[in-house]
Amino acid sequence: DGGITQSPKYLFRKEGQNVTLSCEQNLNHDAMYWYRQDPGQGLRLIYYSQIVNDFQKGDIAEGYSVSREKKESFPLTVTSAQKNPTAFYLCASSTDRVDTGELFFGEGSRLTVL
Amino acid sequence: AQRVTQPEKLLSVFKGAPVELKCNYSYSGSPELFWYVQYSRQRLQLLLRHISRESIKGFTADLNKGETSFHLKKPFAQEEDSAMYYCALKRPNKLIFGTGTLLAVQP
Repeated sequence: DGGITQSPKYLFRKEGQNVTLSCEQNLNHDAMYWYRQDPGQGLRLIYYSQIVNDFQKGDIAEGYSVSREKKESFPLTVTSAQKNPTAFYLCASSTDRVDTGELFFGEGSRLTVL
Repeated sequence: AQRVTQPEKLLSVFKGAPVELKCNYSYSGSPELFWYVQYSRQRLQLLLRHISRESIKGFTADLNKGETSFHLKKPFAQEEDSAMYYCALKRPNKLIFGTGTLLAVQP
């Protein structure tokens, strides 16, 4: 089954703990993205990566970190520095032809901080 | 600042009624705009892009540079159109999304 796989779907974390969300794609896409989805605020870009071993901060990168060691993988770590980490996180990918504007999204991961 | 505004959080219509989901953008250059849709329990997916001037599932969207708008329209709503709709503006290497409008089509 081709596409983007995010795991876990649901995650609970205690305050002060870091947590890593997984995102894997088998679409052979160069670009990958992490968005945060909150009610009433839409999708906000956290980090993105256009190529392996390179990534850029999005609009709300504080308290998050990423890595891009493989083309297929773009994990997101929510650190204890993130003040409001409870949210729905979406991973996406796209071809290197950014003119298409088409992102392919995963099913999302819902993080709840207790 | 580059921004996408969707003024309505919720739009409720009856089946068969016309639908217009509003989207306004703030961008000084030549915009490239898209509509994405998220049906219940499904992934967010591209619905249409303005550059293609296409009609998908009966929906169309026209770019109006004078009004800086890209409203999504459908003449006759169907119950299966109920979903969350996001307008998006393409910028270098990323998309900027609006806050979304939940469309509820009542039987």
